[in-house]
Amino acid sequence: QVQLVESGGGVVHLGRSLRLSCAASGFTFRNHGMHWVRQAPGKGLEWVSFIWNDGSDKYYVDSVKGRFTISRDNSKNILYLQMDSLLVEDTAVYYCARDRSVQYSDFWGQGTLVTVSS
Amino acid sequence: QSALTQPRSVSESPGQSVTISCTGTSSDVDNYNYVSWYQQHPGKAPKLMIYDVTQRPPGVPDRFSGSKSGNTASLTISGLQAEDEAAYYCCSYAGSYTWVFGGGTKLTVL
Repeated sequence: QVQLVESGGGVVHLGRSLRLSCAASGFTFRNHGMHWVRQAPGKGLEWVSFIWNDGSDKYYVDSVKGRFTISRDNSKNILYLQMDSLLVEDTAVYYCARDRSVQYSDFWGQGTLVTVSS
Repeated sequence: QSALTQPRSVSESPGQSVTISCTGTSSDVDNYNYVSWYQQHPGKAPKLMIYDVTQRPPGVPDRFSGSKSGNTASLTISGLQAEDEAAYYCCSYAGSYTWVFGGGTKLTVL
């Protein structure tokens, strides 16, 4: 069965960096684009970033452009999100999700909490 | 990249039907038939309920249905059950490999 397991979250000070990982299993990882979606405490979902199945193209929501970098290692079935220059407003649960034909996300991980303290 | 507009909350009695709206713009909902809906129970990951406006993934009851007219998509849940109580989020492809979610609707089954 499809499994996505995020890790790497924690408490980090304003302006510092953090790298999230998403370990995928149960499907052919290299065949799927992948997303990061976040949810601030008590708030709604916000799409953050998307990467093509081969890692050739990457896209970001305006609020994280220049600060976050999505990447993947298809040999290890792992998706990453490098988050630099973190802001308090980046505090959220970060989910990875599997893309289906650029139309929707069909499976989601359980999320990892990132807390940026001032 | 403005969020789609959803009502903050809706409520209805068991066995009844409820419709949740999701209003976007000509750049997203109106321009693509790539609207999806997700159910999220507290502390849990979102679950796909509807994709491509009207399609149900395997395992999702046919009590859940989706539709779209212009820049507004809708999720209808008929025969409400207690376990349907959750937050529901719409999502639309917005072009140039970006996506936008709605603010979420809290469904209360009275």
